[in-house]
Amino acid sequence: QSALTQPPSASGSPGQSVTISCTGTSSDVGGYNYVSWYQQHPGKAPKLMIYEVTKRPSGVPDRFSGSKSGNTASLTVSGLQADDEADYYCSSYAGRNTWVFGGGTKLTVL
Amino acid sequence: ELQLVQSGAEVKKPGESLKISCQGTGYSFSNYWVAWVRQMPGQGLEWMGSVYIGDSDAKYSPSFQGQVTISADKSLNIAYLHWNSLKASDTARYYCARAISYCSISTCYTMDVWGQGTTVTV
Repeated sequence: QSALTQPPSASGSPGQSVTISCTGTSSDVGGYNYVSWYQQHPGKAPKLMIYEVTKRPSGVPDRFSGSKSGNTASLTVSGLQADDEADYYCSSYAGRNTWVFGGGTKLTVL
Repeated sequence: ELQLVQSGAEVKKPGESLKISCQGTGYSFSNYWVAWVRQMPGQGLEWMGSVYIGDSDAKYSPSFQGQVTISADKSLNIAYLHWNSLKASDTARYYCARAISYCSISTCYTMDVWGQGTTVTV
C-alpha cells in the first residue's frame, strides 16, 4: 500500500486556475471512484473539499472541482483566492475499509 | 453539531506507553468507522488504521500493524490509539476522522469530520 503521488508544489496568481494531480494504482484511485481531496491550513485539521471524485460537501465553493482518468485524479481550483493557499491532500478508498493518502501539494497564491 | 473531540497534547519519554482518545458527539458514533491519521512534523497525512465503533473491528495500514493498537468503547462513544512503547519517531500530530465506508444521500467513502488533532512529543 504505497502513498499516492502528488506534486510537492503548485502555484498560481489570484484569479487564475491551478490543477493538482494525484496518481495511484488500479488498487486504489483506478479501482474506485472514491477519491477525496482535503485542504489543510497551517496548524489546522484537514477539511474535506471533494469526495467521490467530483462531489463537493455543503459549503465548499464551486471554484473547487475534481476529476479522474484512469489511475490519476485531479483537483482544479479556479478563480484563485489568497485563502486558497494551503496544503492539499488526495485520498482514495483502497478496499476492505482501508485508505491511502497522497504526499500532499503546497499551493501558493502568488 | 457533528464533532470529534480529541484528548490533549502529550509529552512522554521513549519506552513509555500512551493512549490518546477521540470522542464523537452529534451523531450515532457506534454506526461508523473512525480512522487515525498521523502527520509527522512538516510531513503529509498517513492513514494508520480504523476501528468500527459498533464492534471494535480494527483495520491497520501495513506500516502501522503491530506498532499501535486501535480500539473503541461504544458505551462512551470513544475511539483510542495506543502505544505500548513509544519511540522518538512517534513524535507527530495525530488526527481522528469519521471514515464513511458506504454511500448515503450526503456522502460516500470519505473522511468527512475530523478531530482537532493531538500532538504527541516523545
